[in-house]
Amino acid sequence: DIQMTQSPSTLSASVGDRVTITCRASQSISSWLAWYQQRPGKAPKLLIYKASSLESGVPSRFSGSGSGTEFTLTISSLQPDDFATYYCQQYSRDYTFGQGTKLEIK
Amino acid sequence: QLQLQESGSGLVKPSQTLSLTCAVSGGSISSGAYSWSWIRQPPGKGLEWIGYIYHTGSTYYNPSLESRVTISIDRSKNQFSLKLISVTAADTAVYYCARGVTAPTYFAFWGHGTLVTVSS
Repeated sequence: DIQMTQSPSTLSASVGDRVTITCRASQSISSWLAWYQQRPGKAPKLLIYKASSLESGVPSRFSGSGSGTEFTLTISSLQPDDFATYYCQQYSRDYTFGQGTKLEIK
Repeated sequence: QLQLQESGSGLVKPSQTLSLTCAVSGGSISSGAYSWSWIRQPPGKGLEWIGYIYHTGSTYYNPSLESRVTISIDRSKNQFSLKLISVTAADTAVYYCARGVTAPTYFAFWGHGTLVTVSS
């Protein structure tokens, strides 16, 4: 199994802040990584695929980077809608998700 | 616009079989470009991929669930289904259906999810 570890588990921030979430894989996954946003009671929404490709319709304040075993999701200027839980997912071998990062209002 | 809608029993007794269906609208399940997955999320916890099926009927399952899972496809009804046997309380979760591309895949379209509770 490829294990995905996100940090931090919880992040407190304010509107307008720049925030970064990290995802580490237990072995190299090349660039086979996606990021999702999930609001309470809703299905996950794809933000980023192939580590850094922005899904159509997703605001440009979201960006992804990394390859191999370390990846980041950055939100350049937090908006009120962005307070949610974020998950990374590897699709190099089978499909596994990180445990999630909850982004809270400070 | 593609839409996915889960349906099925919301309450299943321990040791019995969980059965869910995902109806696809706004697109054909027979398209060769896509895979059709089930993913679940226990209350307050993270996401677990269960398995996927292609329009050909070819399947691939999470090794941790493989012995209990069957995913099937009904092209005439444009839907696919999940069966999970011998359920326990640990199978209580929101179950989502989702569309991916040909493997390896991420999941660009999701259903709204349906809660299945395993309880006597």
